[in-house]
Amino acid sequence: QVQLVQSGAEVKKPGASVKVSCKASGYTFTGYYMHWVRQAPGQGLEWMGRINPNSGGTNYAQKFQGRVIMTRDTSSSTAYMELSRLRSDDTAVYYCAREVRTTARGMDVWGQGTTVTVSS
Amino acid sequence: DIQMTQSPSFLSASVGDRVTITCRASQSISSYLNWYQQKPGKAPKLLIYAASSLQSGVPSRFSGSGSGTDFTLTISSLQPEDFATYYCQQSYSTPRSFGQGTKLEIK
Repeated sequence: QVQLVQSGAEVKKPGASVKVSCKASGYTFTGYYMHWVRQAPGQGLEWMGRINPNSGGTNYAQKFQGRVIMTRDTSSSTAYMELSRLRSDDTAVYYCAREVRTTARGMDVWGQGTTVTVSS
Repeated sequence: DIQMTQSPSFLSASVGDRVTITCRASQSISSYLNWYQQKPGKAPKLLIYAASSLQSGVPSRFSGSGSGTDFTLTISSLQPEDFATYYCQQSYSTPRSFGQGTKLEIK
């Protein structure tokens, strides 16, 4: 079945970096964008960026430019999101979600979420 | 960047009610509008894509309409499992953007 499985919860200190993985299965990895969306406690959904697994090309939200790097490994069908210079307000659940590349049909499959806690 | 604004932010309704949630884009996005449902502690679930297309497996009591800048999500007869938070999201351009959410609560 189609699924995205994310890495486990992380606890980081301010100033550190975190790298979250998202392993895809059950579909052609390169046929879908992979988006990263985060949700702070009690807040709404915030789009961080996306990667085209076929080309490796990325688009990032301005807010995260210079702090986020999205990569992929096509051999293992895994996408990665690395966020650096963590602050307490980066504490959130981070989701990966796929969207078909050929037409904008929404993010139809989501990972289970990875909780990142930033605390000294 | 395109801003998405939902209304209302909170909605109280009863089982069996018909409810409508609206979403407005800061510029025309044609029909590139999606709706998601999120329950506490769970990932969002795609309900409607391209403004009015029902995602596979989603009950037909959910429907979407609109184009340009104004969109609606309608639930024709609320069921207990529909009490959740709903988000609209534009896929017209990057950066993608979500509305702030509408929390649907039991009256």
